[in-house]
Amino acid sequence: RKEVEQDPGPFNVPEGATVAFNCTYSNSASQSFFWYRQDCRKEPKLLMSVYSSGNEDGRFTAQLNRASQYISLLIRDSKLSDSATYLCVVTPYNTDKLIFGTGTRLQVFP
Amino acid sequence: NAGVTQTPKFQVLKTGQSMTLQCAQDMNHEYMSWYRQDPGMGLRLIHYSVGAGITDQGEVPNGYNVSRSTTEDFPLRLLSAAPSQTSVYFCASSYSPGTFYGYTFGSGTRLTVV
Repeated sequence: RKEVEQDPGPFNVPEGATVAFNCTYSNSASQSFFWYRQDCRKEPKLLMSVYSSGNEDGRFTAQLNRASQYISLLIRDSKLSDSATYLCVVTPYNTDKLIFGTGTRLQVFP
Repeated sequence: NAGVTQTPKFQVLKTGQSMTLQCAQDMNHEYMSWYRQDPGMGLRLIHYSVGAGITDQGEVPNGYNVSRSTTEDFPLRLLSAAPSQTSVYFCASSYSPGTFYGYTFGSGTRLTVV
């Protein structure tokens, strides 16, 4: 079983839609969680950290469920510019080595 | 600031050749890592460093060497290239990658081994 699993998609949504991605992780001792964004043929960039209480950054909301070992990302009012691959990232306990999921591709159409 | 600079951007190697992928950062970050990205596999950690003189293996270290003689530079050496090493390689640096600082990635090196 992969340490971090994501639905590869693609998720095809119209502009203005709300879309949610989930990610599951296998190591219950994982300590830090993130969402990165990667545009086609570009490097990944940190989108947001995920905190236990949930957190919001503009149109983006991230949540963590430690009991079920999953992380979610909600994007409201989707823009064409949100089209990208979203990478779920986890750090195991007591290490700064980041473990990346394979990513979920989002395509927003007009 | 240049951020994280990787060279070259593209490279074609013949099987058995060796080469060094260069990575330099100007942000005085202690943490640096090398990842490779393959279709359907996500980013996989090759080698990792928490400061000058300190390196550690990641998930897929075989066939690669690293050294960290300065804070700024973290080169990745392919000892004897194999077609299985055809991939996109990303170097990344951070103050503390497991926090809200996250990693800053270079733009990548696309390597083809024939």
